[in-house]
Amino acid sequence: DTAVSQTPKYLVTQMGNDKSIKCEQNLGHDTMYWYKQDSKKFLKIMFSYNNKELIINETVPNRFSPKSPDKAHLNLHINSLELGDSAVYFCASSQRQPLRDEQFFGPGTRLTVL
Amino acid sequence: GIQVEQSPPDLILQEGANSTLRCNFSDSVNNLQWFHQNPWGQLINLFYIPSGTKQNGRLSATTVATERYSLLYISSSQTTDSGVYFCALPTGGFKTIFGAGTRLFVKA
Repeated sequence: DTAVSQTPKYLVTQMGNDKSIKCEQNLGHDTMYWYKQDSKKFLKIMFSYNNKELIINETVPNRFSPKSPDKAHLNLHINSLELGDSAVYFCASSQRQPLRDEQFFGPGTRLTVL
Repeated sequence: GIQVEQSPPDLILQEGANSTLRCNFSDSVNNLQWFHQNPWGQLINLFYIPSGTKQNGRLSATTVATERYSLLYISSSQTTDSGVYFCALPTGGFKTIFGAGTRLFVKA
């Protein structure tokens, strides 16, 4: 019954590798997001997708490439991982029609780059 | 853009105590959410409260949009209330701004 799910929950990898995180929501929402939470717990939006279209790209390095195959899925691929990419990545979704924007979050993926 | 400030940044309570967390924002908003991030990292929706007052058990929230603040009240705190409390404001442009959070520790 999970509303927003992410896989994997933990990801440990070496610098320079490429990795992907997957997100799925079963709430029927039309908008999905990726957030990054740093070691000080600060949450910052990275991308917003509405009906599979990229709406917001918050000056994220182009090593990060989101892909939305359909409204229920938003994946995040990261190339050439760097130490500074270590963080918790959260996926979220909301329904913007009618305009409400109540966001629901996945469990997070803790990425550690060694 | 909208600025969101939360206070206090850190809070330590004895179990059973009450507390008030505050969220100030710099611009008018249509939406506001309160989240609890538990010690396991899960972000839990507490309230969706663009204005007015809502209650859910020992928690309640009030947003006064005209004065640009929201308050989260925790009564009879329990150790399970520990974690980080965030307020978040969707800006209407598919972007949500989070405050820096209030870190709460409830001692048994």
